[in-house]
Amino acid sequence: QKEVEQDPGPLSVPEGAIVSLNCTYSNSAFQYFMWYRQYSRKGPELLMYTYSSGNKEDGRFTAQVDKSSKYISLFIRDSQPSDSATYLCAIRDNQGGKLIFGQGTELSVKP
Amino acid sequence: DAGVTQSPTHLIKTRGQQVTLRCSPKSGHDTVSWYQQALGQGPQFIFQYYEEEERQRGNFPDRFSGHQFPNYSSELNVNALLLGDSALYLCASSLFGGPDIQYFGAGTRLSVL
Repeated sequence: QKEVEQDPGPLSVPEGAIVSLNCTYSNSAFQYFMWYRQYSRKGPELLMYTYSSGNKEDGRFTAQVDKSSKYISLFIRDSQPSDSATYLCAIRDNQGGKLIFGQGTELSVKP
Repeated sequence: DAGVTQSPTHLIKTRGQQVTLRCSPKSGHDTVSWYQQALGQGPQFIFQYYEEEERQRGNFPDRFSGHQFPNYSSELNVNALLLGDSALYLCASSLFGGPDIQYFGAGTRLSVL
């Protein structure tokens, strides 16, 4: 079983839609959870990070962690064509600074 | 405030050759991590450097080695290149301690022919 699982998509939605991106993880001891956005042929850009459980909101983006289910989510409201990218969930390993990434979900927002 | 910078942006090598990739961390950061990203996959952790020492290492062979300099910049060296080493190599920097939030550079795209 992979430590972090993410549906690779691709996911295609119309402009203005609410997007839900999800990951599951295997180790209940993980504490730090991140979402990165990666445009084609670019490096990942940090969108949000969350410590432990709960929600965190930043503009149109909401990150949610459910530690009881070992499930993390990223919601994008009022999606825009500029949101078209690959979204990567990442979890920080408790043994050190290593980030464990999901496979990434490719999102396309159509005008 | 300069972010994480990597050089070169693109590199073409042949099997068996050696390559060195370079990374300068974001201002104020002291820790550098390296990742390999194959096409269509998430980044895979290679190793992390702090205080010029390798702090943690992922599941990569000894052909992959690194170094951190006193100014916190870092190099990734790969010896005896294989076709399978073709990938985007990403450097991330962070501040040691606390959440260790990592910020990435644009990467070096390595093609091995």
